[in-house]
Amino acid sequence: GQNIDQPTEMTATEGAIVQINCTYQTSGFNGLFWYQQHAGEAPTFLSYNVLDGLEEKGRFSSFLSRSKGYSYLLLKELQMKDSASYLCATLDSNYQLIWGAGTKLIIKP
Amino acid sequence: DVKVTQSSRYLVKRTGEKVFLECVQDMDHENMFWYRQDPGLGLRLIYFSYDVKMKEKGDIPEGYSVSREKKERFSLILESASTNQTSMYLCASSPPREYNEQFFGPGTRLTVL
Repeated sequence: GQNIDQPTEMTATEGAIVQINCTYQTSGFNGLFWYQQHAGEAPTFLSYNVLDGLEEKGRFSSFLSRSKGYSYLLLKELQMKDSASYLCATLDSNYQLIWGAGTKLIIKP
Repeated sequence: DVKVTQSSRYLVKRTGEKVFLECVQDMDHENMFWYRQDPGLGLRLIYFSYDVKMKEKGDIPEGYSVSREKKERFSLILESASTNQTSMYLCASSPPREYNEQFFGPGTRLTVL
């Protein structure tokens, strides 16, 4: 079957670093996306990884290990506005997006 | 600037009513998608379309139908609304390549009483 797992909720402190993990088991793999979704709003694109390794984009970085079926999103210098849900999604062999349930990140002062 | 709009942010309907949810994108995207989002379940694909008048079933098409008469517009239809269709409905669009990011509309929170 197809499955994506990520923690339901995480809490971190403003200015700190947090790592949100995502593990997946899908039929075929054509890349992994991370989206950010603020409460009551639409998801917005953060990153796309298809090759192993770390991709950095400002305060946000995304890592992929295809052999381990594992990805993480790293957020540095956390700001209050980073409080949101973070959605992990993979593209399967049919190029369909399979979505995780999302990780709600709570930032405390 | 990329824009996907949905006809309503909030909608309340009664069981058995026919419900239309409209989605319009202004980016000339070929691909359009309808999802529902429920707590703890993530986004689930209802229907998608890769071209005008073309539609494909997603993971949970039962109880829904769609219409794509024009490239920019993708409509989701609930033929006879039921309480288990109370949910957040999200429309998205993307350019033709499969690994392109999807752009989402603001969502419609539908309550069926």
